[in-house]
Amino acid sequence: DIQMTQSPSAMSASVGDRVTITCRASRGISGYLAWFQQKPGQVPKRLIYAASSLESGVPSRFSGRGSGTQFTLTISSLQPEDVATYYCLQHNDYPWTFGQGTKVEIK
Amino acid sequence: QVHLVQSGAEVKKPGASVKVSCQASGYTFTGHYMHWVREVPGQGLEWLGWINPNSGDTHYAPNFQGRVSMTRDTSISTVYMELSSLRYDDTAIYYCAKRDDYNIKIWGQGTMVTVSS
Repeated sequence: DIQMTQSPSAMSASVGDRVTITCRASRGISGYLAWFQQKPGQVPKRLIYAASSLESGVPSRFSGRGSGTQFTLTISSLQPEDVATYYCLQHNDYPWTFGQGTKVEIK
Repeated sequence: QVHLVQSGAEVKKPGASVKVSCQASGYTFTGHYMHWVREVPGQGLEWLGWINPNSGDTHYAPNFQGRVSMTRDTSISTVYMELSSLRYDDTAIYYCAKRDDYNIKIWGQGTMVTVSS
């Protein structure tokens, strides 16, 4: 199985801060990576697909980068509504695997 | 508009089985694979597998092989996920999710399955 190591597991930042979350794959997955946002009590929502493509309707402060084994999700200016847990998902190989999640809070 | 509507919460005893349904609407049911993902409280998301609603072909994650079964009924645009030999650590929210050109975008509302004696 491909292991997805996500970091940090939790973080606290101020409104307006730049936030970066990293996912590292145990072997190359090309660009077969997505990022999901899950707010408390809600269904996961896809933010980014194909590593760097922004889902329609998602604010432009979210961006994704990477290829191969190293990927990042960046929130350029953290907003209160961004409080959530964020997950990466690799779908290059079966079984699909998620990162462990990053819980983002406001300081 | 695409909708995935899942069946209601279940409480099961250890060793029992649970069958969760997911009814699709707003698109061609047989044209898109359906995946199942679970959210274990405090542990994150875990992928269970997929079913091709057109052919009935399935692919399961190794962790669930032998315990999970995915089926479909095309007459009512519904897929089912059955998990057997339930353990306490199967307590989770189970989601169906529709595959698009990339991975999974549209998710059902989730079904809480509680395993308790």
